[in-house]
Formats: sequence, C-alpha cells, structure tokens
Amino acid sequence: NAGVMQNPRHLVRRRGQEARLRCSPVKGHSHVYWYRQLPEEGLKFMVYLQKENIIDESGMPKERFSAEFPKEGPSILRIQQVVRGDSAAYFCASSPPGQGVNTEAFFGQGTRLTVV
Amino acid sequence: AQKITQTQPGMFVQEKEAVTLDCTYDTSDQSYGLFWYKQPSSGEMIFLIYQGSYDEQNATEGRYSLNFQKARKSANLVISASQLGDSAMYFCAMRGFFMDTGRRALTFGSGTRLQVQP
Repeated sequence: NAGVMQNPRHLVRRRGQEARLRCSPVKGHSHVYWYRQLPEEGLKFMVYLQKENIIDESGMPKERFSAEFPKEGPSILRIQQVVRGDSAAYFCASSPPGQGVNTEAFFGQGTRLTVV
Repeated sequence: AQKITQTQPGMFVQEKEAVTLDCTYDTSDQSYGLFWYKQPSSGEMIFLIYQGSYDEQNATEGRYSLNFQKARKSANLVISASQLGDSAMYFCAMRGFFMDTGRRALTFGSGTRLQVQP
C-alpha cells in the first residue's frame, strides 16, 4: 500500500533551467496539494488540484509556476526559468475523494530543489 | 481566509515530562478540522492527531492529546512523557470548507521546534 511518492527526492538546476517535480498520490486519491517550505519555515500552500481540474491556485506565483494533475499519471509541478529564490523543499499531499474536513492529507517525502 | 498562529519558535522539555505546544487559529468557516503534524530532521511530514470543530471531546492519540478550546480558537498539542525521539518541528494546520468548491487545502502555522533533553 504505497503512500504518496515524490520524485526526484533531490533536484539541482542551474538558474534559467526548468524544474519538473512529480507526485503520485495514494492509490484512489483524487485530490492533490502542493506546498513549498523554505528552511526553518512552515509549509506554504501553492495549489490544490483534482483530476484534470485546478481547484485553488491562490498560492501559486503568477509567473513561471504551473501545475497539472492529468486523468492518467502523476501530478506535475513545473517551474520555468528557475531562480535562486526557488530553492526550497516542495511537498505534495493527497486526500481521498469527498468533502469532509476531517480528511487527513498524506504527505510525500518532498523534493529538495537547489538552484545554483 | 484561514490563519494559523504558533507563537513558540522553540521549546525545550526534559525527557519524561509533558509539554504543551500552542496553536491559535482564525477562520470564518463554520466547519473545520485541526491537525498536528511532526517533521523530524529527516524532513517527512507525519500526521499526529485531528480535532473536528464539532467534536465535543478533545482528541487523544497515545501520548498526544489536543486541548481544543473553541471559544478561544485554540488547539494546543500536549505531549505526555516526552521521549528523545519527540525532538522535531511540530506544525499545527487547519482545513475549512467553503461553499463553492468544498473543502479547502490545509493551512499551516510556522511551526515550533521541540527539543527533548535527557
């Protein structure tokens, strides 16, 4: 019973390159969330997706960042033209279908992005 | 909008003693859930305990209990009989519900770093 799988665990990119972060949710989960964590800080919400739909992207920077959760395959967080300030840990979480506020979010191990 | 405030950046506790980590929240949602997560130095997020806004009793999970005071909008985590392995960052989080699209994503506080001393 696999949990949320994120890959890669560590990613190094040069300034100006693209970063693609992948998240495979728990089997049967249709809700995916992406968070960013800077060192010694809490998790900042970025985007909330259901299959093929973006539900809430209020935490996403307006430029260079995009996310998708296709009908088949993992969710992808894409950062174009990375800058040093994008260096952070990016966490993905998933929840099962339904609207209960008591639904736990299961987190992946995170992807540590370093921009050099 | 949802907001979580954790006012203790760091806490120390002696092994085997109890410790309370503070969390206050603000929301206009009628229905919401409160969560605590632990993040050890290895970085993963570990779910500890959940409290629903309509739950009349405080939640407990082993050595963890949640002191929920709805009128004060506080949801403090109590760890009894602290162990060295409890040293970690602890995050309080909440999830509400809004009419247009249902439940929200989790909103996290800034965290409290707990260090358990032998």
